[in-house]
Amino acid sequence: GENVEQHPSTLSVQEGDSAVIKCTYSDSASNYFPWYKQELGKGPQLIIDIRSNVGEKKDQRIAVTLNKTAKHFSLHITETQPEDSAVYFCAASRDFGNEKLTFGTGTRLTIIP
Amino acid sequence: EPEVTQTPSHQVTQMGQEVILRCVPISNHLYFYWYRQILGQKVEFLVSFYNNEISEKSEIFDDQFSVERPDGSNFTLKIRSTKLEDSAMYFCASIWTALGTEAFFGQGTRLTVV
Repeated sequence: GENVEQHPSTLSVQEGDSAVIKCTYSDSASNYFPWYKQELGKGPQLIIDIRSNVGEKKDQRIAVTLNKTAKHFSLHITETQPEDSAVYFCAASRDFGNEKLTFGTGTRLTIIP
Repeated sequence: EPEVTQTPSHQVTQMGQEVILRCVPISNHLYFYWYRQILGQKVEFLVSFYNNEISEKSEIFDDQFSVERPDGSNFTLKIRSTKLEDSAMYFCASIWTALGTEAFFGQGTRLTVV
């Protein structure tokens, strides 16, 4: 089955700086890669996703890149703000998302004011 | 904005007791899921449900677990005889169609088995 590795497990960044979180996956059939933000006591919330036919996607301060050959994808947050502090999970799925998501281990991002 | 709602938010139960976790998915969604997250660990897939039957289940989802969509709106997860290791946050999720729309997660039910 699919295995998703995520690094780093914790990340502290000065407010205004950029944060990068990286994930690798094992199943070459995976074609949908969402990123979820989880705040304390809440469920995961989708912040951005990318499909295998696209190499990069951007939404304001958040961007995701995908390298299918190397089987890795990354989340980039620019101009970080205190409200970006949360746990971020990457995930992978076959069949554009209607199949189960396999999650990474999570990254606890702390923005230092 | 539509949301997935779960009840209760926190359930404490004695080992060996049955629990039912409830979820109301977004109304026009067709695919339903349960995931769980043991404290400090990754979110793990338990089961997917489509067209009133289980589509896929993980090795965690043994005979002690069952799912049901009893009335067309609720989606429940039953644990027949809880164990200490069932203590976790349980998340329900739903997806609209098979065409690659996002999975919406509920806020979770924290299950504590004592």
